[in-house]
Amino acid sequence: QSVLTQPPSVSGAPGQRVTISCTGSSSNIGAGYDVHWYQQFPGTAPKLLIYGNSNRPSGVPDRFSGSKSGTSASLAITGLQAEDEADYYCQSYDSSLTGPYVFGAGTKVTVL
Amino acid sequence: DVQLVESGGGLVQPGGSLRLSCAASGFTFSSYSMNWVRQAPGKGLEWVSYISSNSRTIYYAGSVKGRFTISRDNTRNSLYLQMNRLRAEDTAVYYCAREGGQYVDILTGYEDLGYWGQGTLVTVSS
Repeated sequence: QSVLTQPPSVSGAPGQRVTISCTGSSSNIGAGYDVHWYQQFPGTAPKLLIYGNSNRPSGVPDRFSGSKSGTSASLAITGLQAEDEADYYCQSYDSSLTGPYVFGAGTKVTVL
Repeated sequence: DVQLVESGGGLVQPGGSLRLSCAASGFTFSSYSMNWVRQAPGKGLEWVSYISSNSRTIYYAGSVKGRFTISRDNTRNSLYLQMNRLRAEDTAVYYCAREGGQYVDILTGYEDLGYWGQGTLVTVSS
């Protein structure tokens, strides 16, 4: 059980807006630590999607956006496209754990 | 271009050992911290181990501490994971991952994982 909680799945029709939440606590997101998001297609390696809460690496479409407030972070996909169907993971730092990285359990995005 | 290529995975019996390698190219390997992240079949991502650029700082997840050893050879641009006393629950795809290199969390000093290898599958079964 991860210290970062994500919904197992979200879905939306093409063109719609979907959001994925990443809920933490005072020892991680609530402490001000940054949140990063990764996208993973079946059978492939994860890819960095959002870094530093809201920044997109070069090549990531601007329909992906990230935000953070309090003990939670969110990833929004606007204008949902069929090729956005994938698993999405949030990642942060937790002061109660031994290492520098902790991941959420992941959210499967399904395009209806 | 940054390239990370893992190797060394395979089938091993419970209690056995395996050594994973990650060959890096396209960047100055000795300048970056590296990590191992694993993913059990049908499950999410689990961070396993971290090693700083000069090998002075090393961390392990509690689930592998005392059984796994991370190391690197900056002269060979390679990262390693020695896995001993393997258990069925260690079955996973193991990825090596490099910090992104363009953003640092000012509170922790850590970065995102900007680059990943393609992974190598480790299966622990009798």
